[in-house]
Amino acid sequence: AQKVTQAQTEISVVEKEDVTLDCVYETRDTTYYLFWYKQPPSGELVFLIRRNSFDEQNEISGRYSWNFQKSTSSFNFTITASQVVDSAVYFCALSYGNNRLAFGKGNQVVVIP
Amino acid sequence: GAGVSQSPSNKVTEKGKDVELRCDPISGHTALYWYRQSLGQGLEFLIYFQGNSAPDKSGLPSDRFSAERTGGSVSTLTIQRTQQEDSAVYLCAGGVGLNSPLHFGNGTRLTVT
Repeated sequence: AQKVTQAQTEISVVEKEDVTLDCVYETRDTTYYLFWYKQPPSGELVFLIRRNSFDEQNEISGRYSWNFQKSTSSFNFTITASQVVDSAVYFCALSYGNNRLAFGKGNQVVVIP
Repeated sequence: GAGVSQSPSNKVTEKGKDVELRCDPISGHTALYWYRQSLGQGLEFLIYFQGNSAPDKSGLPSDRFSAERTGGSVSTLTIQRTQQEDSAVYLCAGGVGLNSPLHFGNGTRLTVT
């Protein structure tokens, strides 16, 4: 069965600090996709990044970066130089079946000005 | 519109009443999903549409829940004889292909009193 674990529930940082969100997943599939979504107070989930299981290259996109390690089933996400607008709940998700997503419980990020 | 539109944004109903939740996805998004978000359960998959067909209804929690999609566009989620445990935020999302990023609406917050 697919499972996504985000151990940290709430993370508070001071503006301009970096924040790293941990995600550990379980799947028996050999091909899968991993996602990070952001849910601001307005409620809609906003897509941030996607990584497929064949590509372990880690990348940086603006202030976002991610570290995908298949050997440890982890897909961690980092926001560099956090800003108040980054305050939101961040969800890690694993796709399976008909593009169904198994979500983690989410990380509440609070950026303090 | 430019995004996924859900209505109503908030719905308060009495236990035992039926409710209909509406989703208007982005034009061209052939895949449509309903998810439910509650404090205790996190984000749960309910149903998946490809066009007007629903090949995966396995997430619907009981036979009180049903959904349809017409014209490959608008979808309605119906909950009959609502119960207090149905209280949650119901999110609709659309996408263009397998494992593509999903575009979510703002959700309908349902409260059953």
